[in-house]
Amino acid sequence: QKEVEQNSGPLSVPEGAIASLNCTYSDRGSQSFFWYRQYSGKSPELIMFIYSNGDKEDGRFTAQLNKASQYVSLLIRDSQPSDSATYLCAVKDSSYKLIFGSGTRLLVRP
Amino acid sequence: DGGITQSPKYLFRKEGQNVTLSCEQNLNHDAMYWYRQDPGQGLRLIYYSQIVNDFQKGDIAEGYSVSREKKESFPLTVTSAQKNPTAFYLCASTNRDRGYEQYFGPGTRLTVT
Repeated sequence: QKEVEQNSGPLSVPEGAIASLNCTYSDRGSQSFFWYRQYSGKSPELIMFIYSNGDKEDGRFTAQLNKASQYVSLLIRDSQPSDSATYLCAVKDSSYKLIFGSGTRLLVRP
Repeated sequence: DGGITQSPKYLFRKEGQNVTLSCEQNLNHDAMYWYRQDPGQGLRLIYYSQIVNDFQKGDIAEGYSVSREKKESFPLTVTSAQKNPTAFYLCASTNRDRGYEQYFGPGTRLTVT
């Protein structure tokens, strides 16, 4: 059973701080990794994807991938109240499917 | 304006009735997916389709059926055999040539009483 694990949270950070969201996966054959943001009652929105070990930065977001440790993380710098949402980690395995974690709820306090 | 549309946004049905949820995309994506999300849960894959006239069962296909007669359309039927059909249903699509990033439609919230 391929699994993607996330801490459900909530992760509470003050406005302006760095939020660090973590995800581990069980399938060593996983090739691609995605972070989605989902506001309450809305559909998931793709915010980052990463394929290679290391860091990938896009604005205030940085995705970090360590395939040896089977670990992927998302850093949000200068967190804003509008970043308050559930963040879903997804991992593409050797088939055409994405395996989703259950998400981490982030709360940014003004 | 390219995107994925799902209709209706909200749907109410009586137990024992079949219901069909619509999903259309104009992104020219090859692959399409249906997920179910229950409160506080992640996404669970119901069915997916890589090409027209072909589809595969996901992790929770029992009580659901799909068709893929056109590249743009992937409707999902929730049958009366589905024991707990009340959920948020999400359709997604991806371009297989570009890395499999999946993009989601706005979702349909189905309530069965």
